[in-house]
Amino acid sequence: GENVEQHPSTLSVQEGDSAVIKCTYSDSASNYFPWYKQELGKRPQLIIDIRSNVGEKKDQRIAVTLNKTAKHFSLHITETQPEDSAVYFCAARGPGGGSNYKLTFGKGTLLTVNP
Amino acid sequence: DADVTQTPRNRITKTGKRIMLECSQTKGHDRMYWYRQDPGLGLRLIYYSFDVKDINKGEISDGYSVSRQAQAKFSLSLESAIPNQTALYFCATSPKAGEQYFGPGTRLTVT
Repeated sequence: GENVEQHPSTLSVQEGDSAVIKCTYSDSASNYFPWYKQELGKRPQLIIDIRSNVGEKKDQRIAVTLNKTAKHFSLHITETQPEDSAVYFCAARGPGGGSNYKLTFGKGTLLTVNP
Repeated sequence: DADVTQTPRNRITKTGKRIMLECSQTKGHDRMYWYRQDPGLGLRLIYYSFDVKDINKGEISDGYSVSRQAQAKFSLSLESAIPNQTALYFCATSPKAGEQYFGPGTRLTVT
């Protein structure tokens, strides 16, 4: 089955700096890669996603890049703010149909933005 | 997201007891999931269901069972709870090809 590795497990940055979280996946057939943000005591919520036919996607201060050849994808947060502090999870999903059409999550990155 | 609800939100139970966690959704999604979250281990899939008649094991199904009573309801049971099942449990739903929406979570403690 799919295996997703996420690094780093913790990341501390100063407010205004950029943060980058990286994930690798094992199944070359995976074609959907979402990122979830989980604030303390709350549920995970989707912040951005990318499909395998796209190399990069941006949404304001957040961007995701995908390298299918290397099987890795990254989350980039620019101009970080204290409210960006949370646990971030990457995930990968196989192609449609059958039991592989489910998300496999990385272990998460605790991002702390220091004022 | 009030469209996905879980009951109870917190539960303390004893080793050997049977316990059921319930999930309901008003989103009209066919697909529902149960995850377990442990510190440092991320979200691990226990069971998932693509429709009422389709239920599949996830990566950590041992010691758990599920029931899909209707499109909107998906229950997770621990037949005989053990301490290492102490965790935060999330239910999630999704449309066929869209994002997953998580419930608020159930914090389960097995003593």
